[in-house]
Amino acid sequence: SYDLTQPPAVSVSPGQTVTISCSGDNLAEKFVSWYQQRPGQSPVLVMFEDSTRPSGIPERFSGSNSGNTATLTISGTQAMDEADYFCQVWDDTSAFFAGGTKLTVL
Amino acid sequence: EVRLVQSGGGLVQPGGSLRLSCAASGFTFSNFALHWVRQAPGQGLEHISVISGNGHSTFYANSVKGRFVISRDNPHNTLYLQMGGLTFEDAAVYYCAREMLRGASFDSWGRGTLVTVSS
Repeated sequence: SYDLTQPPAVSVSPGQTVTISCSGDNLAEKFVSWYQQRPGQSPVLVMFEDSTRPSGIPERFSGSNSGNTATLTISGTQAMDEADYFCQVWDDTSAFFAGGTKLTVL
Repeated sequence: EVRLVQSGGGLVQPGGSLRLSCAASGFTFSNFALHWVRQAPGQGLEHISVISGNGHSTFYANSVKGRFVISRDNPHNTLYLQMGGLTFEDAAVYYCAREMLRGASFDSWGRGTLVTVSS
Protein backbone atom coordinates (compact mmCIF):
# COMPACT_ATOMS: atom_id res chain seq x y z
CA SER A 1 0.00 0.00 0.00
CA TYR A 2 1.11 3.56 -0.63
CA ASP A 3 -0.64 6.64 0.70
CA LEU A 4 -1.07 9.72 -1.43
CA THR A 5 -2.62 12.94 -0.18
CA GLN A 6 -4.18 15.79 -2.13
CA PRO A 7 -6.08 18.85 -0.93
CA PRO A 8 -9.81 18.21 -1.35
CA ALA A 9 -10.43 21.45 -3.19
CA VAL A 10 -8.71 24.43 -4.74
CA SER A 11 -10.09 27.40 -6.58
CA VAL A 12 -8.70 29.81 -9.14
CA SER A 13 -9.83 32.78 -11.17
CA PRO A 14 -9.88 32.45 -14.95
CA GLY A 15 -6.52 33.30 -16.48
CA GLN A 16 -4.61 32.76 -13.26
CA THR A 17 -2.18 29.99 -12.31
CA VAL A 18 -3.15 27.20 -9.95
CA THR A 19 -1.13 24.40 -8.40
CA ILE A 20 -2.47 21.08 -7.15
CA SER A 21 -0.22 19.13 -4.81
CA CYS A 22 0.15 15.42 -4.24
CA SER A 23 2.14 14.18 -1.25
CA GLY A 24 3.64 10.81 -0.37
CA ASP A 25 6.71 9.36 1.31
CA ASN A 26 9.75 9.87 -0.89
CA LEU A 27 7.41 10.55 -3.77
CA ALA A 28 10.27 11.80 -5.93
CA GLU A 29 11.47 8.18 -6.17
CA LYS A 30 8.36 7.32 -8.13
CA PHE A 31 6.87 8.54 -11.37
CA VAL A 32 3.63 10.43 -10.86
CA SER A 33 0.75 10.58 -13.29
CA TRP A 34 -2.16 13.03 -13.22
CA TYR A 35 -5.70 12.55 -14.45
CA GLN A 36 -8.47 15.04 -15.08
CA GLN A 37 -12.04 13.93 -14.59
CA ARG A 38 -14.90 16.19 -15.56
CA PRO A 39 -18.31 15.47 -14.02
CA GLY A 40 -19.90 12.38 -15.49
CA GLN A 41 -16.88 11.58 -17.64
CA SER A 42 -14.01 9.13 -17.59
CA PRO A 43 -10.59 10.20 -16.36
CA VAL A 44 -8.19 11.66 -18.90
CA LEU A 45 -4.42 11.42 -18.56
CA VAL A 46 -2.94 14.93 -18.48
CA MET A 47 0.58 14.21 -17.21
CA PHE A 48 2.84 11.18 -16.92
CA GLU A 49 6.37 10.52 -15.72
CA ASP A 50 6.01 13.57 -13.49
CA SER A 51 6.21 16.19 -16.19
CA THR A 52 5.41 14.77 -19.63
CA ARG A 53 2.25 15.88 -21.35
CA PRO A 54 0.43 13.34 -23.52
CA SER A 55 -0.38 14.35 -27.05
CA GLY A 56 -3.33 16.72 -27.14
CA ILE A 57 -2.93 18.11 -23.64
CA PRO A 58 -2.48 21.91 -23.70
CA GLU A 59 0.87 23.42 -22.83
CA ARG A 60 -0.69 25.28 -19.91
CA PHE A 61 -0.50 21.99 -18.00
CA SER A 62 2.87 21.23 -16.41
CA GLY A 63 4.14 18.94 -13.68
CA SER A 64 6.98 18.47 -11.26
CA ASN A 65 8.00 16.05 -8.53
CA SER A 66 10.52 16.68 -5.78
CA GLY A 67 11.04 15.35 -2.30
CA ASN A 68 7.68 14.25 -0.95
CA THR A 69 5.48 16.37 -3.21
CA ALA A 70 4.42 16.31 -6.82
CA THR A 71 2.69 19.31 -8.30
CA LEU A 72 0.38 19.82 -11.24
CA THR A 73 0.37 23.41 -12.44
CA ILE A 74 -2.19 24.93 -14.73
CA SER A 75 -1.22 28.30 -16.15
CA GLY A 76 -3.80 30.63 -17.65
CA THR A 77 -6.57 28.46 -16.23
CA GLN A 78 -9.70 28.23 -18.32
CA ALA A 79 -13.26 27.43 -17.37
CA MET A 80 -12.94 24.10 -19.14
CA ASP A 81 -10.24 23.07 -16.67
CA GLU A 82 -12.81 22.85 -13.88
CA ALA A 83 -12.72 19.19 -12.89
CA ASP A 84 -11.44 16.69 -10.37
CA TYR A 85 -7.73 15.91 -10.59
CA PHE A 86 -6.16 12.72 -9.32
CA CYS A 87 -2.50 11.87 -8.92
CA GLN A 88 -1.36 8.26 -9.27
CA VAL A 89 1.76 6.20 -8.69
CA TRP A 90 2.76 2.57 -8.94
CA ASP A 91 3.91 0.57 -5.93
CA ASP A 92 4.97 -2.93 -6.90
CA THR A 93 2.20 -4.16 -9.22
CA SER A 94 -0.58 -1.95 -7.97
CA ALA A 95 -1.60 1.54 -8.91
CA PHE A 96 -2.51 3.92 -6.13
CA PHE A 97 -4.58 7.04 -6.56
CA ALA A 98 -4.93 9.95 -4.21
CA GLY A 99 -8.39 11.05 -3.18
CA GLY A 100 -8.54 13.80 -5.76
CA THR A 101 -8.75 17.58 -5.80
CA LYS A 102 -11.80 19.43 -7.01
CA LEU A 103 -10.68 22.44 -9.02
CA THR A 104 -13.18 25.27 -9.21
CA VAL A 105 -12.66 28.07 -11.70
CA LEU A 106 -14.48 31.05 -10.24
CA GLU B 1 -8.48 6.05 -32.73
CA VAL B 2 -8.23 4.01 -29.55
CA ARG B 3 -11.62 2.94 -28.28
CA LEU B 4 -12.65 0.94 -25.24
CA VAL B 5 -16.37 0.15 -25.29
CA GLN B 6 -17.75 -1.24 -22.08
CA SER B 7 -20.81 -3.37 -21.49
CA GLY B 8 -22.30 -5.41 -18.70
CA GLY B 9 -22.99 -4.01 -15.28
CA GLY B 10 -26.37 -3.30 -13.77
CA LEU B 11 -28.26 -4.21 -10.65
CA VAL B 12 -27.31 -7.32 -8.69
CA GLN B 13 -28.23 -8.65 -5.28
CA PRO B 14 -25.63 -9.12 -2.55
CA GLY B 15 -23.79 -12.35 -3.14
CA GLY B 16 -24.60 -12.27 -6.83
CA SER B 17 -22.38 -12.33 -9.88
CA LEU B 18 -21.86 -10.13 -12.90
CA ARG B 19 -19.55 -10.02 -15.90
CA LEU B 20 -18.19 -6.83 -17.38
CA SER B 21 -16.80 -6.60 -20.90
CA CYS B 22 -14.54 -4.10 -22.58
CA ALA B 23 -14.23 -4.28 -26.37
CA ALA B 24 -11.15 -2.61 -27.77
CA SER B 25 -10.29 -1.21 -31.16
CA GLY B 26 -7.77 1.09 -32.76
CA PHE B 27 -4.63 -0.58 -31.43
CA THR B 28 -2.83 -3.92 -31.33
CA PHE B 29 -4.73 -5.41 -28.43
CA SER B 30 -2.25 -8.08 -27.37
CA ASN B 31 0.58 -5.55 -26.98
CA PHE B 32 -1.02 -3.82 -24.01
CA ALA B 33 -1.70 -4.64 -20.39
CA LEU B 34 -5.26 -3.78 -19.42
CA HIS B 35 -6.73 -2.78 -16.11
CA TRP B 36 -9.96 -2.40 -14.22
CA VAL B 37 -10.36 0.67 -12.04
CA ARG B 38 -13.49 1.42 -10.06
CA GLN B 39 -14.98 4.52 -8.52
CA ALA B 40 -17.60 4.37 -5.82
CA PRO B 41 -20.21 7.16 -5.94
CA GLY B 42 -18.62 10.47 -5.03
CA GLN B 43 -15.33 8.77 -4.24
CA GLY B 44 -11.86 8.43 -5.71
CA LEU B 45 -10.36 5.84 -8.02
CA GLU B 46 -9.40 2.33 -6.93
CA HIS B 47 -7.22 0.06 -9.04
CA ILE B 48 -8.55 -3.46 -8.70
CA SER B 49 -6.98 -5.67 -11.36
CA VAL B 50 -4.55 -5.92 -14.25
CA ILE B 51 -3.83 -8.51 -16.91
CA SER B 52 -0.74 -8.67 -19.08
CA GLY B 53 -0.89 -8.46 -22.84
CA ASN B 54 -0.61 -12.21 -23.34
CA GLY B 55 -2.97 -12.92 -20.46
CA HIS B 56 -0.46 -14.96 -18.53
CA SER B 57 -0.05 -12.56 -15.60
CA THR B 58 -2.77 -11.11 -13.46
CA PHE B 59 -3.00 -9.08 -10.27
CA TYR B 60 -5.85 -8.31 -7.92
CA ALA B 61 -6.29 -5.80 -5.16
CA ASN B 62 -6.96 -7.34 -1.78
CA SER B 63 -10.48 -5.92 -1.86
CA VAL B 64 -11.48 -8.22 -4.75
CA LYS B 65 -9.00 -11.09 -4.56
CA GLY B 66 -10.70 -14.46 -4.59
CA ARG B 67 -13.99 -13.00 -5.83
CA PHE B 68 -13.15 -11.33 -9.16
CA VAL B 69 -11.42 -12.81 -12.19
CA ILE B 70 -9.87 -10.79 -14.98
CA SER B 71 -9.41 -12.34 -18.40
CA ARG B 72 -8.96 -11.38 -22.02
CA ASP B 73 -9.75 -12.79 -25.43
CA ASN B 74 -7.01 -11.48 -27.66
CA PRO B 75 -8.38 -12.80 -30.96
CA HIS B 76 -11.58 -10.90 -30.20
CA ASN B 77 -9.96 -7.84 -28.63
CA THR B 78 -12.05 -8.06 -25.50
CA LEU B 79 -11.29 -7.71 -21.80
CA TYR B 80 -13.50 -9.20 -19.11
CA LEU B 81 -14.07 -8.92 -15.40
CA GLN B 82 -16.06 -11.73 -13.82
CA MET B 83 -17.32 -10.54 -10.46
CA GLY B 84 -18.69 -12.84 -7.77
CA GLY B 85 -19.68 -12.62 -4.14
CA LEU B 86 -20.70 -9.02 -4.67
CA THR B 87 -21.20 -6.83 -1.61
CA PHE B 88 -22.53 -3.33 -1.10
CA GLU B 89 -18.92 -2.13 -1.06
CA ASP B 90 -18.52 -3.27 -4.67
CA ALA B 91 -21.10 -0.77 -5.93
CA ALA B 92 -19.23 1.58 -8.23
CA VAL B 93 -18.58 2.69 -11.76
CA TYR B 94 -16.10 0.26 -13.26
CA TYR B 95 -13.66 1.49 -15.88
CA CYS B 96 -11.42 -0.51 -18.15
CA ALA B 97 -8.18 1.24 -18.93
CA ARG B 98 -5.19 0.69 -21.14
CA GLU B 99 -1.68 0.89 -19.73
CA MET B 100 0.53 2.85 -22.04
CA LEU B 101 3.73 1.26 -23.27
CA ARG B 102 5.86 4.07 -21.91
CA GLY B 103 5.24 5.59 -18.55
CA ALA B 104 2.92 2.87 -17.26
CA SER B 105 0.07 5.32 -16.97
CA PHE B 106 -3.51 4.78 -18.06
CA ASP B 107 -3.72 6.55 -21.39
CA SER B 108 -7.15 5.37 -22.54
CA TRP B 109 -10.27 4.70 -20.53
CA GLY B 110 -13.65 3.21 -21.25
CA ARG B 111 -16.74 5.25 -20.46
CA GLY B 112 -17.42 3.18 -17.37
CA THR B 113 -20.25 0.89 -16.41
CA LEU B 114 -22.30 1.18 -13.24
CA VAL B 115 -22.62 -1.77 -10.90
CA THR B 116 -25.35 -1.42 -8.30
CA VAL B 117 -25.62 -3.88 -5.43
CA SER B 118 -28.98 -3.87 -3.73
CA SER B 119 -31.39 -6.31 -2.16
